Amino acid sequence: GQNIDQPTEMTATEGAIVQINCTYQTSGFNGLFWYQQHAGEAPTFLSYNVLDGLEEKGRFSSFLSRSKGYSYLLLKELQMKDSASYLCAVWGAAGNKLTFGGGTRVLVKP
Amino acid sequence: EPEVTQTPSHQVTQMGQEVILRCVPISNHLYFYWYRQILGQKVEFLVSFYNNEISEKSEIFDDQFSVERPDGSNFTLKIRSTKLEDSAMYFCASIGQGDTGELFFGEGSRLTVL
Repeated sequence: GQNIDQPTEMTATEGAIVQINCTYQTSGFNGLFWYQQHAGEAPTFLSYNVLDGLEEKGRFSSFLSRSKGYSYLLLKELQMKDSASYLCAVWGAAGNKLTFGGGTRVLVKP
Repeated sequence: EPEVTQTPSHQVTQMGQEVILRCVPISNHLYFYWYRQILGQKVEFLVSFYNNEISEKSEIFDDQFSVERPDGSNFTLKIRSTKLEDSAMYFCASIGQGDTGELFFGEGSRLTVL
């Protein structure tokens, strides 16, 4: 089977930094994606890693280690609007599609 | 910016009824997907569609489900006889040829089966 694991929930304070980890064990791999999903809404694309290393995009950064089957999403200078679920997804885990982890619900407190 | 559009945004139906969910993918995209998300659970793959045929489907996508591209723009998901457990948010997504794998999602259709 395909396993993509991430913590269920995290809480952080406005202005702080939060790191969301994702580990994966999949039969195939063609890239790792992070999506943000607010309650009742569609996932929206945040970042994409296909090679090892850090990709930075404003307040959001994503890291990938393919040898360890590990990625993290780093959210800096947290804002209240960042309260959402963050979905780790692997492209090509099995077939030509995205396979999602269970998502991490991040609650930002004042 | 081009976007994937879905209708209806919310549908309530009785168990056993047929439901059709509609999607208009981004016009130059070639691969189309349906995903579903039961409330509080993860986003699950249902089916992918390319070159006017199903390219892959999951175990969830049984004989009660079908997809169709009736014309050059619409992409539909039909559930023949809905069950209570079909209540979920259904997302359509599309991607262009040679793209990195970033799926563009529609806003979703919330299906409630009573």
